[in-house]
Amino acid sequence: NAGVTQTPKFRILKIGQSMTLQCTQDMNHNYMYWYRQDPGMGLKLIYYSVGAGITDKGEVPNGYNVSRSTTEDFPLRLELAAPSQTSVYFCASSPNRVGDEQYFGPGTRLTVT
Amino acid sequence: AQKITQTQPGMFVQEKEAVTLDCTYDTSDPSYGLFWYKQPSSGEMIFLIYQGSYDQQNATEGRYSLNFQKARKSANLVISASQLGDSAMYFCAMREQDYGGSQGNLIFGKGTKLSVKP
Repeated sequence: NAGVTQTPKFRILKIGQSMTLQCTQDMNHNYMYWYRQDPGMGLKLIYYSVGAGITDKGEVPNGYNVSRSTTEDFPLRLELAAPSQTSVYFCASSPNRVGDEQYFGPGTRLTVT
Repeated sequence: AQKITQTQPGMFVQEKEAVTLDCTYDTSDPSYGLFWYKQPSSGEMIFLIYQGSYDQQNATEGRYSLNFQKARKSANLVISASQLGDSAMYFCAMREQDYGGSQGNLIFGKGTKLSVKP
């Protein structure tokens, strides 16, 4: 059971470039999330999805876009990368709400220079 | 206002001793969940323990226990018999009940860096 997988693990972007961070889960979870973790900080929610075809903004959505065409996949798109988007990005999924743990992917370390 | 507060940026503990990591939270929802995650230097997020707001007893998982004081809105993590491998960042997080508007996401504190000394 692979759980939540993310690719790539590391990436360096130049200012203004775009990229897509991939996230896939094989647990048939309806809920999926993208978080970012800045150095020395906790995680902040970028976007979330409660099921295929349904997405919504979190706390820090500016500069990002998402889509959810299948239950398994939840890619995060960075348009016109900026140095402020240098961070570690975590994808997570969960089967329910209050009582269920969120399963995290290994993270993607992104540097924008 | 911060929803999750971890007031200890860093903590030291001697190997084999117990340590308590503090966490206070703020919510008006009667139904919520509290989580602790461990993040070692390798970066992954490891789930440790969960406490539901209606749970009568404090949660325990092996060497981890959660000291839940609902009236004080605190959910401290207690690690007994610390090991060198416990050295990591520890995050407290809260998940509020989805009443149709909430995302069900975790709200994280800023974390506590625990260092275990041999």
